[in-house]
Amino acid sequence: KAGVTQTPRYLIKTRGQQVTLSCSPISGHRSVSWYQQTPGQGLQFLFEYFSETQRNKGNFPGRFSGRQFSNSRSEMNVSTLELGDSALYLCASSFRTGPNYGYTFGSGTRLTVV
Amino acid sequence: AQSVAQPEDQVNVAEGNPLTVKCTYSVSGNPYLFWYVQYPNRGLQFLLKYITGDNLVKGSYGFEAEFNKSQTSFHLKKPSALVSDSALYFCAVRDGGNTPLVFGKGTRLSVIA
Repeated sequence: KAGVTQTPRYLIKTRGQQVTLSCSPISGHRSVSWYQQTPGQGLQFLFEYFSETQRNKGNFPGRFSGRQFSNSRSEMNVSTLELGDSALYLCASSFRTGPNYGYTFGSGTRLTVV
Repeated sequence: AQSVAQPEDQVNVAEGNPLTVKCTYSVSGNPYLFWYVQYPNRGLQFLLKYITGDNLVKGSYGFEAEFNKSQTSFHLKKPSALVSDSALYFCAVRDGGNTPLVFGKGTRLSVIA
């Protein structure tokens, strides 16, 4: 079956712009989580969605937002981009929320802010 | 809040030798522990997890991990390293509730032929 699909794979944006990243989970998976990966900070948790509801939110400014659609696809948006937002953004899906359910990760979207 | 420490940024090992990648954790309640591996320009791939039961967990590609509750550790091991094992390894933990999975900063493993 198809894995987690993230689009686009690469993105270059200018400071001050906004960006939308997309994630399509594995078919049947209803939970989607987003992480920001940078060399200095490792993986930092952004959000977790289940059945269109945000279940958890990480410690990021309000410029970072997300949503999940009825088909479980998810988007995250970053407004007023800063240079420090340059990172690999990873999406992970699981069948549902809870510690027993493992994550399957997509290949990520590499965002470069110039 | 839960946390994970991977004390080594880099581990170097000769091909054919055993390897260990260290991980310690902090969590209230029972821990749910995971190891993932990341190859260049790819997402994370699941290796193994500990939820309950035997302290020695076997996973993909010949990797295993030992859960030690008294030392709050979950070290990743492999009896004989391969050059193809060279990658970035992440340990992660969550508690028994609906809290998110928290990752360590990663350990870069380099296996030298």
